[in-house]
Amino acid sequence: NAGVTQTPKFQVLKTGQSMTLQCAQDMNHNSMYWYRQDPGMGLRLIYYSASEGTTDKGEVPNGYNVSRLNKREFSLRLESAAPSQTSVYFCASRKQGLETQYFGPGTRLLVL
Amino acid sequence: GENVEQHPSTLSVQEGDSAVIKCTYSDSASNYFPWYKQELGKGPQLIIDIRSNVGEKKDQRIAVTLNKTAKHFSLHITETQPEDSAVYFCAAPLATGFQKLVFGTGTRLLVSP
Repeated sequence: NAGVTQTPKFQVLKTGQSMTLQCAQDMNHNSMYWYRQDPGMGLRLIYYSASEGTTDKGEVPNGYNVSRLNKREFSLRLESAAPSQTSVYFCASRKQGLETQYFGPGTRLLVL
Repeated sequence: GENVEQHPSTLSVQEGDSAVIKCTYSDSASNYFPWYKQELGKGPQLIIDIRSNVGEKKDQRIAVTLNKTAKHFSLHITETQPEDSAVYFCAAPLATGFQKLVFGTGTRLLVSP
């Protein structure tokens, strides 16, 4: 099993550009998450999906949209990137009824 | 909503020493407290967790203690080794249940040989 995979690993954008971060899991988990990690701020939840077809805002959803394409895939879209969105983005998944979240390797995003 | 504070932000110890990281939370209804370890260039990984119906849980060299009255919980690592060097995050539920978590700001642990 590959677990949780994320693409791309690294991306540079100019202010105003758009992009989609991809996440997929092969563990048949129901729940999926998107976090951002900034120095001194820990991990902050952007969006959460309890199951296919459902999404819910987290602590810092502004400037982002998500799509739960199917049970395996959960994408994060930046419609108009801003320098404040420079961060490392992590996707995670969790099996229904269990507490443990499994994280992907992250996507490092730089917005100039 | 839940607020989690974590201290210290950095911790340096000699190999073989013990390390303690502390977190406080604000919501007295919180009932699940995990600790995640993040190695350089990787995503966080769960290392131990505790539910509010117990005061302590151990797994080999790591342990977590919980004080519900004071609303704080701690990670204890004994006989530290260089491979314990990483960033450690505590967390607590954002709302009832454990579906969404609020993470602490992290502690960078450096274990020197």
